[in-house]
Amino acid sequence: DTGVSQDPRHKITKRGQNVTFRCDPISEHNRLYWYRQTLGQGPEFLTYFQNEAQLEKSRLLSDRFSAERPKGSFSTLEIQRTEQGDSAMYLCASSPRTGAGNTEAFFGQGTRLTVV
Amino acid sequence: AQKVTQAQTEISVVEKEDVTLDCVYETRDTTYYLFWYKQPPSGELVFLIRRNSFDEQNEISGRYSWNFQKSTSSFNFTITASQVVDSAVYFCALRHNTDKLIFGTGTRLQVFP
Repeated sequence: DTGVSQDPRHKITKRGQNVTFRCDPISEHNRLYWYRQTLGQGPEFLTYFQNEAQLEKSRLLSDRFSAERPKGSFSTLEIQRTEQGDSAMYLCASSPRTGAGNTEAFFGQGTRLTVV
Repeated sequence: AQKVTQAQTEISVVEKEDVTLDCVYETRDTTYYLFWYKQPPSGELVFLIRRNSFDEQNEISGRYSWNFQKSTSSFNFTITASQVVDSAVYFCALRHNTDKLIFGTGTRLQVFP
């Protein structure tokens, strides 16, 4: 396993279109996270899963955003009716859950979304 | 509230200089974890170090060292004898019991030959 994989790496879409991104975590990791990073800023938490259960969603995740992890493996993040403000890098990360919380998250290379 | 502040937006140094990146955090929790990540131009966040709130021992890894001081809520990162390959954006992050990472705004380090 070479790490967290995200697809596509880049996406350009017209305003109002729907887009879907995919994340494949490191295989033995049961926690999966989505973050959004805009230019010049640090990543901001969007949501995370433990196995297939979505445990927390940020207020940044409006109704137009939905994330799934149907079988506890890969995850998808869908944005409906995209707006220019959605333009950002979407980062996925995964981590093992040991129960102590003292583990690091490993990040993918991200999907850069541009809404025109 | 939990917050991470990286006051240095950008730092430029010449190769072989030492450089320190500052990180100040705020949290009410007694148990928390601090991280440093490196983001090269490729975009992937690369994990550098994790430190828990009960371990104030400083750490050295090759040219990298970290100084954790709870008294000043700081977790600073020093690169000794910087190299061009160290050029990247560096993020400090805080995690507590909710497991999500709270990142600072990052410090862009440029190392010139």
